[in-house]
Parts: sequence; C-alpha cells; structure tokens
Amino acid sequence: QKEVEQNSGPLSVPEGAIASLNCTYSDRGSQSFFWYRQYSGKSPELIMFIYSNGDKEDGRFTAQLNKASQYVSLLIRDSQPSDSATYLCAVNTGFQKLVFGTGTRLLVSP
Amino acid sequence: GAVVSQHPSWVICKSGTSVKIECRSLDFQATTMFWYRQFPKQSLMLMATSNEGSKATYEQGVEKDKFLINHASLTLSTLTVTSAHPEDSSFYICSVHRGRLAGGPSYNEQFFGPGTRLTVL
Repeated sequence: QKEVEQNSGPLSVPEGAIASLNCTYSDRGSQSFFWYRQYSGKSPELIMFIYSNGDKEDGRFTAQLNKASQYVSLLIRDSQPSDSATYLCAVNTGFQKLVFGTGTRLLVSP
Repeated sequence: GAVVSQHPSWVICKSGTSVKIECRSLDFQATTMFWYRQFPKQSLMLMATSNEGSKATYEQGVEKDKFLINHASLTLSTLTVTSAHPEDSSFYICSVHRGRLAGGPSYNEQFFGPGTRLTVL
C-alpha cells in the first residue's frame, strides 16, 4: 500500500463548478497535510495546509481532514480554467520530510 | 511563504560533464533543504535532505558520490551532478524547510524553488 494515494485523474469539471480532490494516507501518526499545485513544467506551489480535523478555508479553496478515516480532501469552488493543473497531496509524519502522492490532474473546461 | 531561487533554470551539457545547481533561500535562514527529482509525468522523488553544516542524508537508491550536496550556509545549498549521463536528464527541484513554531503543531512546511531542467546529451 502506498503511503499517500491519489487518483491520477484527469478530473474534468466545467468552469464554475466545484472540484473535489481526494487523498488517503496510511500512517496514523501523520500530523500535518499539505496541498500543492503544479502546473506543467513548473515546480509545486503550496496552496494550503491543515493539521486539525475539520475544514479550513482560504478563498476558493477548502481543505478537509478526517484523521479517523485517514482522508484529506481539497475543494475548489468556482473552478476556473487557470486552476487546471496537477494537485499534489503531501503528508508529514512528524519528521521533516514530506511524503507526496502522485498527484491528481485537474482539467477545468471553459 | 518562503522565496526560493534556483540557478540555472535550465542547462544542457555533454555526457560525462558535471553540473552544479544552486538553491537559495532568499527571505529566511534554512537549516534544512531538500532536493527532489521529477521525471516527465511522474511525481516528485526525494533525493536527499541537505542540512546546513553537516553531511546530506540520501534516500535509498540515490548515489551520494554521483549527486554531491553541499549546504555551506543557511541560505545556500548546491547539488552537483557528477559525470552526468542522459539518464540523469530530469527536472531537479529544491525546497526549503520551515519547521514547527514554538508551542505549535508540527508544521514542517516546504517551499519549492522554480526547478532546474537538466538535459544531458
């Protein structure tokens, strides 16, 4: 079982819709969780992180964490074509390193 | 977030030559930096953890004699690909680590540089 799992996609949504990206992790000791966005040919950019159960909102982005289910998600409201990218979920288990998923490719069509 | 630069942004070299990539933390002192490699359509692969003033810690399967890492200051880490071959062609990305705040939860954020695209002919 991979440590951090994501559906590779692509996830296709129309402009203005809500995109829901999901991630599961295997280490119950994981302490903080990160979502990165990576455009093709570019390096990852941190969108947001979450460490407490529940929701955390930042603009059009909402991260949701459920530690009991070992599940973290990212919701993107009012999706825009510029949101089309690969979204990487990363998990920190308490050491300095992050464990990355393979990413979900999101396509937002005009 | 943190501002991280990398130089060069791209490099083309002949097989057998060595290439040095610089990673700079521009707005805070980074005790720890990380080096990743990413092949096309694949996820990030951690190569090594670079610690200021000490030897780097390499991930399993990464040759420490081929990928030399030096973290001589709190703002600069370098990765040297020695005797590069075509299979070393990849996107090399560094990140700087920002750790837990005093009394807070374990954040361990990483902020990435823009990456260096290496092509070995």
